[in-house]
Amino acid sequence: QQPVQSPQAVILREGEDAVINCSSSKALYSVHWYRQKHGEAPVFLMILLKGGEQKGHDKISASFNEKKQQSSLYLTASQLSYSGTYFCGTVDAGNNRKLIWGLGTSLAVNP
Amino acid sequence: NAGVTQTPKFQVLKTGQSMTLQCAQDMNHNSMYWYRQDPGMGLRLIYYSASEGTTDKGEVPNGYNVSRLNKREFSLRLESAAPSQTSVYFCASSEWITGRSRNTEAFFGQGTRLTVV
Repeated sequence: QQPVQSPQAVILREGEDAVINCSSSKALYSVHWYRQKHGEAPVFLMILLKGGEQKGHDKISASFNEKKQQSSLYLTASQLSYSGTYFCGTVDAGNNRKLIWGLGTSLAVNP
Repeated sequence: NAGVTQTPKFQVLKTGQSMTLQCAQDMNHNSMYWYRQDPGMGLRLIYYSASEGTTDKGEVPNGYNVSRLNKREFSLRLESAAPSQTSVYFCASSEWITGRSRNTEAFFGQGTRLTVV
């Protein structure tokens, strides 16, 4: 079952902050965050692993609440380059090779 | 280091034609995936392969077949293309770290834009 992302869309002015949420109905091994610009492949931002390990972009942070099966991506002091669609992907504990994705959150950063 | 390479980048098919989308990765990853992306639908998993010699259905497998030819290559075949299969197709790979029960980030190919008329 697909993870659920919220909000569906966000519009920011440059310098503002945003939070994108991702939740699953299943226990998770890992949560992946990617950004995709129009016509391009998704680009890796962050991976959060069960047990607290994480790896990713130094200007973007994220959290992973294993008990609640939720993750949040924090975009602070947004830049024009942050515009795009953000996807969270999950690998659940019942099938730990299967990586599925939410529907995405469209983020537009305006000057 | 090329990462994940998909071919072709663009393809137009007539309804009923068949074709194979090719994907190869040079990172020695165990897991490989095929997704389709349609407007407003995100990335939907068609098939995945946890290791060489194994394949499993994803969320939308109907109308597709796959082959994990070896560790590097994972192909997607449309036996009889339909207009509903018009989409952008992405191949991805990731590494499963045995003993730690965790996987690395996924690496994506550049996508294949397929139109079925």
